[in-house]
Amino acid sequence: DIVMTQSPDSLAVSLGERATINCKSSQSVLYSSNNKNNLAWYQQKPGQPPKLLIYWASTRESGVPDRFSGSGSGTDFTLTISSLQAEDVAVYYCQQYYTTPYSFGQGTKLEIK
Amino acid sequence: QVQLQESGPGLVKPSQTLSLTCTVSGGSISSGSYYWNWIRQPAGKGLEWIGRIYTSGSTNYNPSLKSRVTISVDTSKNQFSLKLSSVTAADTAVYYCARDRVIGGFDYWGQGTLVTVSS
Repeated sequence: DIVMTQSPDSLAVSLGERATINCKSSQSVLYSSNNKNNLAWYQQKPGQPPKLLIYWASTRESGVPDRFSGSGSGTDFTLTISSLQAEDVAVYYCQQYYTTPYSFGQGTKLEIK
Repeated sequence: QVQLQESGPGLVKPSQTLSLTCTVSGGSISSGSYYWNWIRQPAGKGLEWIGRIYTSGSTNYNPSLKSRVTISVDTSKNQFSLKLSSVTAADTAVYYCARDRVIGGFDYWGQGTLVTVSS
């Protein structure tokens, strides 16, 4: 099974500043046939289901603000929020869909400093 | 707009079977190349993928739960279901149904339903 590890577990960032969350997979999630990384990022607010932000490691889902971006390849990935807004307070999860069983990182709680 | 809605008992006794149904609206469960998934989240904790089904009936399960899980689909009702047998308190969680795509990512989720295992 692929283990996903996020860092840090929690993060406090000032409004308007950059927030960076890291995700590492225990094996590569790069699909060689299409050169795509099978990695997604989600945002979850209290009492709500997760919301898909990014797929293929760096493709924003329709409707997601462009302050959210994803990068990385192979086993190391990053979610960046370029200018933190109050509504971005949430828990963020990475998820690999390279193979089943699908697996999620443990989550990173993002707060306002 | 596709919508998913979980339904089922909110309280299950230990050793019994948890049964949930996800009803899909706004589109046919049989259209497109989608898998239909169950995911759970204990209170204050992270997300655990339980398993998925394709409309052909093909399934994949998390090995950690495989011996206790059955996912089935009823295309005539636009529903898919989860059965988890021999439950314990460790199975208490919010259970979500979700759709995933060939290009990846769970793009539609139900609101989730809390299932408590207690006598």
